[in-house]
Amino acid sequence: AQKITQTQPGMFVQEKEAVTLDCTYDTSDQSYGLFWYKQPSSGEMIFLIYQGSYDEQNATEGRYSLNFQKARKSANLVISASQLGDSAMYFCAIYTGKLIFGQGTTLQVKP
Amino acid sequence: GAGVSQTPSNKVTEKGKYVELRCDPISGHTALYWYRQSLGQGPEFLIYFQGTGAADDSGLPNDRFFAVRPEGSVSTLKIQRTERGDSAVYLCASSLKAVEPSTDTQYFGPGTRLTVL
Repeated sequence: AQKITQTQPGMFVQEKEAVTLDCTYDTSDQSYGLFWYKQPSSGEMIFLIYQGSYDEQNATEGRYSLNFQKARKSANLVISASQLGDSAMYFCAIYTGKLIFGQGTTLQVKP
Repeated sequence: GAGVSQTPSNKVTEKGKYVELRCDPISGHTALYWYRQSLGQGPEFLIYFQGTGAADDSGLPNDRFFAVRPEGSVSTLKIQRTERGDSAVYLCASSLKAVEPSTDTQYFGPGTRLTVL
């Protein structure tokens, strides 16, 4: 069975600083995808970034990067230069036919 | 509209009633997923359609839940004899269904908030 663990229920970061949101996963599959989604208070799930299990390079999308350490089964999200609009819930998920989500981390950006 | 749409945005019903939730995926997306999200939790998978057929319905909690996608586009999630525990946000997502499944990005709709009184 697949499992995602997000150990940080809540995080604070100062505006313009970088923040790392932790995610560890468990799967016996060799081929899988790791995803991060953002869920603002409006409720919609917004796709941020994807990392494939065979990708050797860490994924980057603008201010988002994924620190992928396959041997440790971790896929941490790094947000650089935090903005007030980054305040939201962040979910890590693994795809092996369906998405399995973690419990989420609430990020609050302080001005 | 280019995104996934869901109707209604809110539904309040009484215990024991029947409800239908609708999802209109992104045009051209062949895969459609339903998830349920309880307060403070991550979304939980319910069912996945590839085209018209349910490819994986292992997440449906019991036989009160049923979903259809008769023409391979719009899908309806149907809940019979609703219970208070069914109260949650029901999310729909669609994807292109890439050749390599693990790369398949799902795009979500705004959700339907179901409240069972």
